[in-house]
Amino acid sequence: KQEVTQIPAALSVPEGENLVLNCSFTDSAIYNLQWFRQDPGKGLTSLLLIQSSQREQTSGRLNASLDKSSGRSTLYIAASQPGDSATYLCATNSGYALNFGKGTSLLVTP
Amino acid sequence: KAGVTQTPRYLIKTRGQQVTLSCSPISGHRSVSWYQQTPGQGLQFLFEYFSETQRNKGNFPGRFSGRQFSNSRSEMNVSTLELGDSALYLCASSLGSGGSSYNEQFFGPGTRLTVL
Repeated sequence: KQEVTQIPAALSVPEGENLVLNCSFTDSAIYNLQWFRQDPGKGLTSLLLIQSSQREQTSGRLNASLDKSSGRSTLYIAASQPGDSATYLCATNSGYALNFGKGTSLLVTP
Repeated sequence: KAGVTQTPRYLIKTRGQQVTLSCSPISGHRSVSWYQQTPGQGLQFLFEYFSETQRNKGNFPGRFSGRQFSNSRSEMNVSTLELGDSALYLCASSLGSGGSSYNEQFFGPGTRLTVL
């Protein structure tokens, strides 16, 4: 059974800092990995999809990497802004369902 | 292109009642998946429908059921509600069924169900 872990569970940084969120998973047999953002009480917004054959994907200030062999993915956020405050979730796609981590709650202070 | 829509957004029910939630996927998407989100368990997979057929099912009791219509819209039903069913129910749509590296899932805003 796929286990997805996200560290840290919570993070507070001052505006302008670059930061890294970590995601690890136990089963490397995945089709892809998605990073999502969730604002309080809201649905999930897809940020990046990394296919199993890819090493990284970029979208604006976001860069996600994937190392299947070590079961790790990182989400890099450059020049953080208060509007980036949210919970960030990673999810692996095993073909059956998305397996989610518990998320990292990010607070960016002005 | 319109995103995934879910109705209603909020529901309050009492124990023992039943409830039906609705999800309209992105136009052209044929797969709809349902997830339950609670503070303690996080996001858990309920089931996936593709072309009106249930493809996969998570580890939930038979009180949880669903269906998909020919226009890809999906409904989820929970019968004999329990206090523990209080949660945010999210649906996700994608072009194809799960087993593809290209398969990106897009989520709706969710239905917040409170069981009293």
